Amino acid sequence: SYELTQPPSVSVSPGQTARITCSGDALPKQYAYWYQQKPGQAPVLVIYKDSERPSGIPERFSGSSSGTTVTLTISGVQAEDEADYYCQSADSSGTYTVFGGGTKLTVL
Amino acid sequence: EVQLLESGGGLVQPGGSLRLSCAASGFTFSSYAMSWVRQAPGKGLEWVSAISGSGGSTYYADSVKGRFTISRDNSKNTLYLQMNSLRAEDTAVYYCAKYGTTVTGDAFDIWGQGTMVTVSS
Repeated sequence: SYELTQPPSVSVSPGQTARITCSGDALPKQYAYWYQQKPGQAPVLVIYKDSERPSGIPERFSGSSSGTTVTLTISGVQAEDEADYYCQSADSSGTYTVFGGGTKLTVL
Repeated sequence: EVQLLESGGGLVQPGGSLRLSCAASGFTFSSYAMSWVRQAPGKGLEWVSAISGSGGSTYYADSVKGRFTISRDNSKNTLYLQMNSLRAEDTAVYYCAKYGTTVTGDAFDIWGQGTMVTVSS
């Protein structure tokens, strides 16, 4: 079955830039989406279609795509950004949704 | 206000059944595909199942195919997940999620608060 691969953890100091990657063979064909999830809460969409930001999401959140890897970038990280982040996409047929394993962002 | 509210979770024995419901409000329910996503304790998100706006097309993860059935009643603005032959590994918080618009694509733009399902003897 199709898989998306994320690093288990990323750590940055406040004010620095955090980059979280997501790799998958179908990513050149399928859009990627990113979610932020804080403990005890439902996920929140922060990036759609690789690089678009929903209304209400701070400008410090951005997304990019290159080949089989997509990247969520958080510029000027704040303490409130500490959370789990998940990428989502579809298999090559576009039929089945898949999530990456998640990345825990720690703000030092 | 756009809202999804799940119900029906609880404790069930292995091999048992449970039906989850998700009541939608604040948007034209029948216009959007819907999905169930689960999260086992301390684990990541796992897509479970999806259904088209009309209900005519359904999709399942391999882990639940043949045991779970997704359905919807557009007259009641409600999504369902019938879960049969439950296993310990089905223990999770189950989220109802709305697929996005033509602008946002297949993003899950609205999520419910989740309902806990525990499979244990």
